[in-house]
Amino acid sequence: NAGVTQTPKFRILKIGQSMTLQCAQDMNHNYMYWYRQDPGMGLKLIYYSVGAGITDKGEVPNGYNVSRSTTEDFPLRLELAAPSQTSVYFCASSPGRVEEKLFFGSGTQLSVL
Amino acid sequence: QQQVKQSPQSLIVQKGGISIINCAYENTAFDYFPWYQQFPGKGPALLIAIRPDVSEKKEGRFTISFNKSAKQFSLHIMDSQPGDSATYFCAPRVDNAGNMLTFGGGTRLMVKP
Repeated sequence: NAGVTQTPKFRILKIGQSMTLQCAQDMNHNYMYWYRQDPGMGLKLIYYSVGAGITDKGEVPNGYNVSRSTTEDFPLRLELAAPSQTSVYFCASSPGRVEEKLFFGSGTQLSVL
Repeated sequence: QQQVKQSPQSLIVQKGGISIINCAYENTAFDYFPWYQQFPGKGPALLIAIRPDVSEKKEGRFTISFNKSAKQFSLHIMDSQPGDSATYFCAPRVDNAGNMLTFGGGTRLMVKP
């Protein structure tokens, strides 16, 4: 049982490049989330999904896109990378509203230079 | 407007001492009050949580105290150990369909041997 798996662990992008951060969970959780964590700060919600085919914006969605075609996968897309997107990105999942605990992946450290 | 204010930002405690971290919030719609623990290079993990119908919850060395009228809740770590050295986040949840958490800025705890 792997839990929440994020790939890659590290990535350096040039300004204007695009990339997709992958997130997969094997716990059959309905809810999935993307957070970013800037140095010395708390986590901010980018996007979330309450089930396959359903996504919604969080607190800081600008510059990002998501899709949820399956229960297991929730990729995060950066279309035109900017230095302000340098951060650590965490994917998380949750069984649903009744059980509130979130299970987090180990994160992707992204630098945009 | 910062919805969740956490204090202190950093804390140094001797082994065996008591660590106290506080969280103040503005949003009265929060209905679930967890503390997450994060070790370097890892995602946050749920440590302990409380619902607003109780004023205190204890799990081993960890206790949450909740003051609904003051809109504050705190984490107490008794008999602090070097292995408790981590960053702690309060992350209250708004009662809605998305089960979304609002993270505080974090408290970096160091327990000296």
